[in-house]
Amino acid sequence: EAQVTQNPRYLITVTGKKLTVTCSQNMNHEYMSWYRQDPGLGLRQIYYSMNVEVTDKGDVPEGYKVSRKEKRNFPLILESPSPNQTSLYFCASSLNRGSYEQYFGPGTRLTVT
Amino acid sequence: AQSVAQPEDQVNVAEGNPLTVKCTYSVSGNPYLFWYVQYPNRGLQFLLKYITGDNLVKGSYGFEAEFNKSQTSFHLKKPSALVSDSALYFCAVRIVFGGSQGNLIFGKGTKLSVKP
Repeated sequence: EAQVTQNPRYLITVTGKKLTVTCSQNMNHEYMSWYRQDPGLGLRQIYYSMNVEVTDKGDVPEGYKVSRKEKRNFPLILESPSPNQTSLYFCASSLNRGSYEQYFGPGTRLTVT
Repeated sequence: AQSVAQPEDQVNVAEGNPLTVKCTYSVSGNPYLFWYVQYPNRGLQFLLKYITGDNLVKGSYGFEAEFNKSQTSFHLKKPSALVSDSALYFCAVRIVFGGSQGNLIFGKGTKLSVKP
């Protein structure tokens, strides 16, 4: 089954404790992206990757890092999480940047205390 | 600046009645327009798109949307709402400028509530 998976689905952590949210897709997509969803703000793009070893900042990249060492994986790294990073995070992928449809993962709800 | 606006935070409709979820955009260049739906505790799912051609586009689950260039709008519609249509709906735009395609820009979302 074609899908985007994220782990963990739920995470509660404390300020400053490094964490990684994994994202994996099995569709051989070139383009992958991370979004955060906050009430009243919709989805905002954090980082995106157009292919292996090619990443770029989205609209709200501060406090986040990403890597794309393999085509299927696109982890999101929070080196020193802060409470304002409490949010719902979505990973998405598409065949390429110009593809009409993006496929979204199920989301990761992160709480930073 | 490129932007997408969904002027209603929530839309309430009775089952069987027609529904409209509004979206307007402000972009330079040619827009590609999309609607996505998010059911509770799920990721976003693609509903439909407008790229070019007929201004009325049809998508999944009986939804359709009308592109209006003069009003810079792309409203989502359905002739007869179902309770199962209750969800969060996002309008999105991708800018196409000089042959280059940008990233998706999402609206803030509109919660659709369909009552029996």
